[in-house]
Amino acid sequence: DADVTQTPRNRITKTGKRIMLECSQTKGHDRMYWYRQDPGLGLRLIYYSFDVKDINKGEISDGYSVSRQAQAKFSLSLESAIPNQTALYFCATSESGGRSYNEQFFGPGTRLTVL
Amino acid sequence: KQEVTQIPAALSVPEGENLVLNCSFTDSAIYNLQWFRQDPGKGLTSLLLIQSSQREQTSGRLNASLDKSSGRSTLYIAASQPGDSATYLCAVRSGSARQLTFGSGTQLTVLP
Repeated sequence: DADVTQTPRNRITKTGKRIMLECSQTKGHDRMYWYRQDPGLGLRLIYYSFDVKDINKGEISDGYSVSRQAQAKFSLSLESAIPNQTALYFCATSESGGRSYNEQFFGPGTRLTVL
Repeated sequence: KQEVTQIPAALSVPEGENLVLNCSFTDSAIYNLQWFRQDPGKGLTSLLLIQSSQREQTSGRLNASLDKSSGRSTLYIAASQPGDSATYLCAVRSGSARQLTFGSGTQLTVLP
């Protein structure tokens, strides 16, 4: 089973709709992240959370919100989707200590299309 | 603001060749650097992580080096195989928020 899972894997929606992307992990990591990937722009950080009570904005947080429901779950919401939010979204995890200190592990991604 | 550049953007080599992928970053005050592999339509697979105090890391046919003072890292792939074909991404962790900043990647094609 995958250590970091994302649901849904693909989603097509319309402008103005509310969308939630979910991420779950079984790695036991305390830190979780949301990125988006656009062709030619690389991956950019949207939000990150270092523990359940910690939420931080990343480089491009406008138009997005997040919720850390538990150590293993981190969801990303688009309150009112717009076409330029069409992208590939990735969730990632890392641990604050241990052997793989600060090494990030990524989920398979969610392809979101906003019409 | 940290910026990460990867050159070349695309590379095509015959099977069996040794090759080097390059990554440069503008702010040398980094915590670590990570190399990833991304297959089309798939997620990122972590290949190597180099902490700021380290000069290189090795895993199988892969060797990554880090020169913080010059703001450079290289990923060396020995005896390339068609299965190595993918996009390789470099990312550095830096700044007060210790965020990862990614390069745009090098798309590698290994021809059989």
